Amino acid sequence: GIQVEQSPPDLILQEGANSTLRCNFSDSVNNLQWFHQNPWGQLINLFYIPSGTKQNGRLSATTVATERYSLLYISSSQTTDSGVYFCAVEKSSGNTGKLIFGQGTTLQVKP
Amino acid sequence: DAGVTQSPTHLIKTRGQQVTLRCSPKSGHDTVSWYQQALGQGPQFIFQYYEEEERQRGNFPDRFSGHQFPNYSSELNVNALLLGDSALYLCASSLWNSPLHFGNGTRLTVT
Repeated sequence: GIQVEQSPPDLILQEGANSTLRCNFSDSVNNLQWFHQNPWGQLINLFYIPSGTKQNGRLSATTVATERYSLLYISSSQTTDSGVYFCAVEKSSGNTGKLIFGQGTTLQVKP
Repeated sequence: DAGVTQSPTHLIKTRGQQVTLRCSPKSGHDTVSWYQQALGQGPQFIFQYYEEEERQRGNFPDRFSGHQFPNYSSELNVNALLLGDSALYLCASSLWNSPLHFGNGTRLTVT
């Protein structure tokens, strides 16, 4: 099956710093989503980005489908950005809901 | 507009017992997917329901079963609980070919 690898596994930042999280996947995909899981366990959908670039405030994401990777950029980090960031992919055409998740990047932003 | 709601939030069961978890999808969504997230891991796909039928299934034993009702809400049932079933159980809803939206999860502890 498809493999999803995220790096780095852990990241500690000072408030205000920028960071880049990476997601590599082993096969072509038709769906890629980035999620943020807060300390209470809630998974929040950040981006639906099977290809191209999107921006939402301080966050942006780029997926290069032909090279099988995606990047999540966090600028001017805040303590509320802390938590685990997951990349998840789906190989099937259309969004059938069967996402394969990476192991996540745990981000801690210190004040 | 209510998002995905799950109940209960926490549950403690004994080995060998049975448990039922409940999920109401986001308004307008017709597809419900269930995921299991062990501590420190990414979520793993259990199964998906659409039009009251199981449409896809992940690599989980038959002890895990589900149901979808005409109002699109769903239940996850786990029989003969094992210690290894302790996890956060996440429900996600969607429309075909649209991003998944997750609930806050049910944290199940099996003792």
